[in-house]
Amino acid sequence: EVQLVQSGAEVKKPGESLRISCKGSGYSFTSYWITWVRQMPGKGLEWMGRIDPSDSYTNYSPSFQGHVTISVDKSISTAYLQWSSLKDSDTAMYYCARASGYGNDYWGQGNLVTVSS
Amino acid sequence: QSVLTQPPSVSAAPGQKVTISCSGSSSNIGNNYVSWYQQFPGTAPKLLIYDNNKRPSGIPDRFSGSKSGTSATLGITGLQTGDEADYYCGTWDSSLSAGVFGGGTKLTVL
Repeated sequence: EVQLVQSGAEVKKPGESLRISCKGSGYSFTSYWITWVRQMPGKGLEWMGRIDPSDSYTNYSPSFQGHVTISVDKSISTAYLQWSSLKDSDTAMYYCARASGYGNDYWGQGNLVTVSS
Repeated sequence: QSVLTQPPSVSAAPGQKVTISCSGSSSNIGNNYVSWYQQFPGTAPKLLIYDNNKRPSGIPDRFSGSKSGTSATLGITGLQTGDEADYYCGTWDSSLSAGVFGGGTKLTVL
């Protein structure tokens, strides 16, 4: 069974760093890109970026380029999304998803990130 | 402001058909495949349609997708109250070299 399991909810202060994770199982992890998607409270889905686990090649949305870093450790089938300095506006739910062809077919359960002083 | 434009809401009665539009441009929908997602409150999105009109296994044929030019449409027939959810279109944007989503459409089954 294909699964993407994300790390738990986080509460952070502005300026702090954070890394959240997404562990894939039940399939060949290096055969599918991993996409990260943001959903701010009460808002729609925003495509943040994606990574090819086989070679760590990444694409970022211009809206997120330079503010987040997507990485992967293929030895443990895990992708990461990280911030070096969080802002209040980073408060959101973050989803990882497996990119299959031209769709994201399996999704993680989501990571709620709350940034507040 | 989303790159892809969807109506904020649509509604129809149980048993009826509804369509949800997704409008883009030549850099996204016009030259790339479209996918559609269903999201219930508090849950992760679910893939409904990929490659414009293909359904993953387990998705009933009440859900269909089509694309013409720079627009795509999700159709849902035999509406059920359990179809009440938010629906999003998505595709690749070749100019941005990034994925894009529509703003989402809230479906109400009256």
